[in-house]
Amino acid sequence: AQRVTQPEKLLSVFKGAPVELKCNYSYSGSPELFWYVQYSRQRLQLLLRHISRESIKGFTADLNKGETSFHLKKPFAQEEDSAMYYCALSGQGAQKLVFGQGTRLTINP
Amino acid sequence: GAVVSQHPSWVICKSGTSVKIECRSLDFQATTMFWYRQFPKQSLMLMATSNEGSKATYEQGVEKDKFLINHASLTLSTLTVTSAHPEDSSFYICSATDRGMADGYTFGSGTRLTVV
Repeated sequence: AQRVTQPEKLLSVFKGAPVELKCNYSYSGSPELFWYVQYSRQRLQLLLRHISRESIKGFTADLNKGETSFHLKKPFAQEEDSAMYYCALSGQGAQKLVFGQGTRLTINP
Repeated sequence: GAVVSQHPSWVICKSGTSVKIECRSLDFQATTMFWYRQFPKQSLMLMATSNEGSKATYEQGVEKDKFLINHASLTLSTLTVTSAHPEDSSFYICSATDRGMADGYTFGSGTRLTVV
């Protein structure tokens, strides 16, 4: 069974401080991991996926198979990063995407 | 990039009536579409997966007779909430994908259903 855990429901940091949103997963096969962001009153948007290994809006995430984690990091938070962040997992090949509980990130000025 | 259009964005209906929500992929062929439900301040809960031309696969605990899903073409999937009751009030979101898409999954803007 697929399972994604985001242990922090709320996370608040000051502008300019580093940010780390935690995500752990459980999956027996080869997972595809994603981070999605949902800004206020907007639809879900893909932030990044592990296979592309890109850095989007300064965010990075590394898949750690040993720790079954896919934590999202940004060295210097900006106010516009305030949003809801969801970690998600699917199997290979357009299989169902299962979401974690989400973390609401608030960046304080 | 890939775009998914979901309609309507909000709907209010009377208890006992049925409501249909449409999800269209505008610039790609969606071999697979997913329907999610999101309660206030909670995450997205997968309801069902539908592949074009075949029956939807429902997640455990989701009533297939209540939430009818049709995926008759590669660009359109519909979710019909039958005999709606107030407890069906929620935010419904569709997602679509095609194998090999760079972005993986594209999401609709969601439908706010209120049953009165």
